[in-house]
Amino acid sequence: EVQLEQSGAEVKKPGATVKISCKASGYTFSAYDIYWVQHAPGKGLEWMGLVDPEDGETIYAAKFQDRVSITADTSTDTAYMELSSLRSEDMAVYYCATSRLGELFVWGQGTLVTVSS
Amino acid sequence: EIVLTQSPGTLSLSPGQRAALSCRASQRVASNYLAWYQQKPGQAPRLLIYGASTRATGIPDKFSGSGSGTDFTLTISSLEPEDFAVYYCQQYGDSPPQHTFGQGTKLEIK
Repeated sequence: EVQLEQSGAEVKKPGATVKISCKASGYTFSAYDIYWVQHAPGKGLEWMGLVDPEDGETIYAAKFQDRVSITADTSTDTAYMELSSLRSEDMAVYYCATSRLGELFVWGQGTLVTVSS
Repeated sequence: EIVLTQSPGTLSLSPGQRAALSCRASQRVASNYLAWYQQKPGQAPRLLIYGASTRATGIPDKFSGSGSGTDFTLTISSLEPEDFAVYYCQQYGDSPPQHTFGQGTKLEIK
C-alpha cells in the first residue's frame, strides 16, 4: 500500500524557516513525483511545487518560487519541503502527495505550521 | 497560468438529491488533464476523478466526471450524508507545470 508519513506540527516565529519531511513507503520512491500543497485556514488548496525523486528536478509555483525548496533523498525515501522567511500568511496545513502525471493519488496526513511571535 | 473557477461556491442539497459541480478554466486544459478531489474537515483531500472522467481506485460509480476543453462537471448521484464536503478541481495539463486548483465548492446539507 502506497503511504506518505509527514513530520509533526511546527511552531515558528516570523522570518524563520520551516522544513517538513514526507516519508514514502509501499512503492518505488523514484517512480512518482512528490508534490507539495498548502491549505491555509478558510482558503483553498494551493500547489507549491514538485520534485522528481529520480533526478531531483524541481518545479515551483510562481507564488513560492523565491522562498521554497523541495528536495528528495532516495537513500531514505523521504522528500522535504523548506519554506523560508515565514510570515503570518504561511500559517497553514502543508500536504505532500504522490503523482503520476499531475493528479495527486495518495496524500500525506498533513503538517500544521503555526507562525507566531 | 490557468485560472480555474468553480461554481457555485456553496451548494445546499438534501440527501438523495443529485449534485452537479462546475469547474471552468481560463484556457483550454491540455489532454483534459483535470482532476476532482473531495476534502472533509480535518482530513487530507482524496482523489475522485482524473483525466476529466476516470474514477480513481476505490471511488464508487455515483461519482462521475465529464467535460473537455474549458468546461468540466463533477456529478454526484443520490447524495449520502458522507458526501457533504468541499470539492476542488485541479488542472495539470499546463507546461511548464503550474498545477492550479479551483477555489472549491462546499456541498452542504440543506
